[in-house]
Amino acid sequence: DQQVKQNSPSLSVQEGRISILNCDYTNSMFDYFLWYKKYPAEGPTFLISISSIKDKNEDGRFTVFLNKSAKHLSLHIVPSQPGDSAVYFCAALAYTDKLIFGTGTRLQVFP
Amino acid sequence: DGGITQSPKYLFRKEGQNVTLSCEQNLNHDAMYWYRQDPGQGLRLIYYSQIVNDFQKGDIAEGYSVSREKKESFPLTVTSAQKNPTAFYLCASKWAGTGNYEQYFGPGTRLTVT
Repeated sequence: DQQVKQNSPSLSVQEGRISILNCDYTNSMFDYFLWYKKYPAEGPTFLISISSIKDKNEDGRFTVFLNKSAKHLSLHIVPSQPGDSAVYFCAALAYTDKLIFGTGTRLQVFP
Repeated sequence: DGGITQSPKYLFRKEGQNVTLSCEQNLNHDAMYWYRQDPGQGLRLIYYSQIVNDFQKGDIAEGYSVSREKKESFPLTVTSAQKNPTAFYLCASKWAGTGNYEQYFGPGTRLTVT
């Protein structure tokens, strides 16, 4: 039973445009969310996070939006750069201090 | 340089053999985690440890074992009982305590069992 879902396995965006990666969750008890970026054959690196008491968190080109009523969060990357090409995972913090990861979205930014 | 190291990067084993994957961190983190990544499946938690000499099963612990004798080390043994051991294994760590949610990941070990 997938509690964190990333329904788009891949996304292709032109350099300079906006990339929007989506994530849905089923457990309303999740109250903290994180986004990780992963290159092939490497470990994920933390990108940005958001607490459920907020609906937006911004860090440079990266903004995460949280819609609690819809149990939906999204990561916006503006402007997209070729170096952003990677797999992006969203994760939710479970009450037991564990992270529940989505299946990932592969972003490709082309020139 | 602080960080998490996993060795080796690539590991090959014959079916029926146990194999131990190394994970070491010098970040003084309290908690350590082992994940497995398979194509299209995201990261699934195998085992985790929040303190030395204590660990808990994750979602897919069957066929795996761990130990946590030192704060900086959390080795994972893939036993012959694990039905599909070929995967990319990731170790992570973080500080314990309220407000510390970010996990830091090592570079991973790709295990191939034939």
